[in-house]
Amino acid sequence: IVVTQSPGTLSVSPGERATLSCRVSQDVGGNLAWYQQKPGQAPRLLIYGASTRATDIPARFSGSGSGSEFTLTISSLQSEDFAVYFCHQYNNWPLYTFGQGTKVEIK
Amino acid sequence: QVQLVESGGGVVQPGRSLRLSCATSGFTFSKYGMHWVRQAPGKGLEWVAVISNDGSNKHHEDPVKGRFTISRDNSKNTLYLQMDSLRPEDTAVYYCAKDTGGPLAFWGQGTLVTVSS
Repeated sequence: IVVTQSPGTLSVSPGERATLSCRVSQDVGGNLAWYQQKPGQAPRLLIYGASTRATDIPARFSGSGSGSEFTLTISSLQSEDFAVYFCHQYNNWPLYTFGQGTKVEIK
Repeated sequence: QVQLVESGGGVVQPGRSLRLSCATSGFTFSKYGMHWVRQAPGKGLEWVAVISNDGSNKHHEDPVKGRFTISRDNSKNTLYLQMDSLRPEDTAVYYCAKDTGGPLAFWGQGTLVTVSS
């Protein structure tokens, strides 16, 4: 299963909305997660089941989609949200696949 | 709380071996499968291997099959990755992660492996 994210880099001003896309080469139902990674840190789970926020994740993060097309939306970017975001299909458990990442940078 | 602490990384010459460890605490290790995931410098995440809770089932991604071996010692609450015949393209930060049958909610801080002559 191939996972493709777009865009590679997203330039957004603080307070604006960011929309990240993830496309999977086959139907994975709702078995998709999103992670945030900051420099020098491990990935942090944000969203699982395509749309369920993980523990302690702010409501400005939301996920949508099913099948092969998914979206992560950050409704109003805060300074701490500038990071790299990865999507991850786990439908083919335990053989996992990650996207190549989208970097959200300050415009 | 769940803690995963990797160790064993370092600089190694091509063709040599290295063994990574992941010491765990805060959960019943013997009840969970475990994964290794790596990240080359400036690149994305790449799943490497998984092992079942009792060690009876293992899967490795194609680029490392025959060279890397995942294992575990449930008496020591520790996960391992034996890496043989290392190549420059194996240079990466290696993370261990706790399996939940789905998303990876718990990760270690990673250990850097550099393969270079």
